[in-house]
Amino acid sequence: EAGVVQSPRYKIIEKKQPVAFWCNPISGHNTLYWYLQNLGQGPELLIRYENEEAVDDSQLPKDRFSAERLKGVDSTLKIQPAELGDSAVYLCASSFRGGYNEQFFGPGTRLTVL
Amino acid sequence: DQQVKQNSPSLSVQEGRISILNCDYTNSMFDYFLWYKKYPAEGPTFLISISSIKDKNEDGRFTVFLNKSAKHLSLHIVPSQPGDSAVYFCAASNSNSGYALNFGKGTSLLVTP
Repeated sequence: EAGVVQSPRYKIIEKKQPVAFWCNPISGHNTLYWYLQNLGQGPELLIRYENEEAVDDSQLPKDRFSAERLKGVDSTLKIQPAELGDSAVYLCASSFRGGYNEQFFGPGTRLTVL
Repeated sequence: DQQVKQNSPSLSVQEGRISILNCDYTNSMFDYFLWYKKYPAEGPTFLISISSIKDKNEDGRFTVFLNKSAKHLSLHIVPSQPGDSAVYFCAASNSNSGYALNFGKGTSLLVTP
């Protein structure tokens, strides 16, 4: 089966510019997660979706970050405007019905803000 | 506030020997624990998990041990193979937080021939 797809794989932008990341989860997985991974750290949850609903966005910096999951399938994470400290890998994961179900991760998008 | 801690940033083991990766946690509400393996430029891949009602779970060469009283878990790889060289992340979750994974910083394992 196809895994979690993310694009782009790499993105370089200047500070204050907007940027968007796209994620297509595994077919049939209704729970989708966005994680942020800084260098030398483990992934940290930004937002979790159950179908179209964001059920946990407590760690999402809402002044500059936004996310959507229209139709409960694909998801987009946006940063506007980007700051130097946003340079990191943004990981998308999906699972079947959340809970104690294995989360499958995509390859991530490596963002560099100059 | 790091609730899951992997205090060894790196570990080097000879091929055929046992690799032991350790993980400590501070939140007593965690009731499910997972190990993920990550190669460069790839996302983490699930390796093995354990529920808090168990103290051991085994899958082939991989065994996870959980000591709830010590808030400690470990991953044993026997025998270690060069292909096991990767970064290993310990993660913990609980139903009260919607099963969100709390990750450690990872341990880089190098298995030498």
